[in-house]
Amino acid sequence: AQSVTQLDSHVSVSEGTPVLLRCNYSSSYSPSLFWYVQHPNKGLQLLLKYTSAATLVKGINGFEAEFKKSETSFHLTKPSAHMSDAAEYFCVVQDNYGQNFVFGPGTRLSVLP
Amino acid sequence: GAVVSQHPSRVICKSGTSVKIECRSLDFQATTMFWYRQFPKQSLMLMATSNEGSKATYEQGVEKDKFLINHASLTLSTLTVTSAHPEDSSFYICSADSPGGITEAFFGQGTRLTVV
Repeated sequence: AQSVTQLDSHVSVSEGTPVLLRCNYSSSYSPSLFWYVQHPNKGLQLLLKYTSAATLVKGINGFEAEFKKSETSFHLTKPSAHMSDAAEYFCVVQDNYGQNFVFGPGTRLSVLP
Repeated sequence: GAVVSQHPSRVICKSGTSVKIECRSLDFQATTMFWYRQFPKQSLMLMATSNEGSKATYEQGVEKDKFLINHASLTLSTLTVTSAHPEDSSFYICSADSPGGITEAFFGQGTRLTVV
């Protein structure tokens, strides 16, 4: 069975500084991994996804994530935070044998002026 | 990209009444859709998998008689919360897998249900 751990429930950064949101996963098979962002009272928007191609994945709004199989990690980064990045971020895993998505608990990102 | 439309975005209902939430795939056919529930400050939890033309598959702990799911066509799945209670107040989100075998889910905008 798959599982996802997001080590930080809340991350606070200053505008213009780097963002690091951590994600570790557990999966019996080669997983597909995703990062979704959720702004208050809104649906989910896909930031980026890893599906066994390049291990460094670039997404929208300047975000990127690196798949590290040896560390079972898929951390999300951004070089410079913007106020509009304040939201909830979910790391999600899906294995190749199922259609279900397993969500991490989420990390709330706050961006301070 | 593919679009999933969820309606309504917000609904307030009285205890004991039923509420129907619709999830439509606008430009693709979705044989499978998923319904999630999100409690405040928590992650999404899968409630059930909706399969076109057959019964939905419910996750453990989800009352199938309370959360009725109907997937009558390849573009529409509905979730009906029956005899709603205040504890059913939550954010409900549906999703559908992308067409063409590409591994990605498209999510609806979500429905904020408040039971008073």
